[in-house]
Amino acid sequence: NAGVTQTPKFQVLKTGQSMTLQCAQDMNHNSMYWYRQDPGMGLRLIYYSASEGTTDKGEVPNGYNVSRLNKREFSLRLESAAPSQTSVYFCASSPPGQGSLGYTFGSGTRLTVV
Amino acid sequence: KQEVTQIPAALSVPEGENLVLNCSFTDSAIYNLQWFRQDPGKGLTSLLLIQSSQREQTSGRLNASLDKSSGRSTLYIAASQPGDSATYLCAAHSGGYQKVTFGTGTKLQVIP
Repeated sequence: NAGVTQTPKFQVLKTGQSMTLQCAQDMNHNSMYWYRQDPGMGLRLIYYSASEGTTDKGEVPNGYNVSRLNKREFSLRLESAAPSQTSVYFCASSPPGQGSLGYTFGSGTRLTVV
Repeated sequence: KQEVTQIPAALSVPEGENLVLNCSFTDSAIYNLQWFRQDPGKGLTSLLLIQSSQREQTSGRLNASLDKSSGRSTLYIAASQPGDSATYLCAAHSGGYQKVTFGTGTKLQVIP
């Protein structure tokens, strides 16, 4: 079982460039999430999608946009990358219900903005 | 605002030792608490999920307990092995899709 698949695994961007991080899950989960992980700060929620067709801001949404393309796919877009967005980005999904009834995480995207 | 703390930040033990990892949370009104394992350069792997109505969950050599009244959860690892070396994170779910708060983790090293 693939679970949650993220692409790319690594990316280096120049300040001001844009890019889209892709995420797909094959577990028929309703909810999907984007987190960033920074040293000493734990995981912080950027955006989430409770179900297909809906998206909402999390704790740190500034500088990001998301698209829930269908039930399987949830993408994260950086329109104009900044060095402060250097981080490891994780996509996660969970079954129907009020949030964390058991997250499954992707393997992450390591993004460096220079 | 929920705050989740994991102390110590790092722990080194000899192989075979039993050990306890701690997770503290400030808001006891949680729906569930989940323990994860993260290997270097990898994503998070779910280990155990404890519902608020439960006091503990077990999986193999792992046992997680939950005491909502004191705002604490512990992850007990029996007979530790070098393969257990990883960072262990806990996450408290306080309700709603965005109310999951992660701790910063305990980095465990098991020395052969």
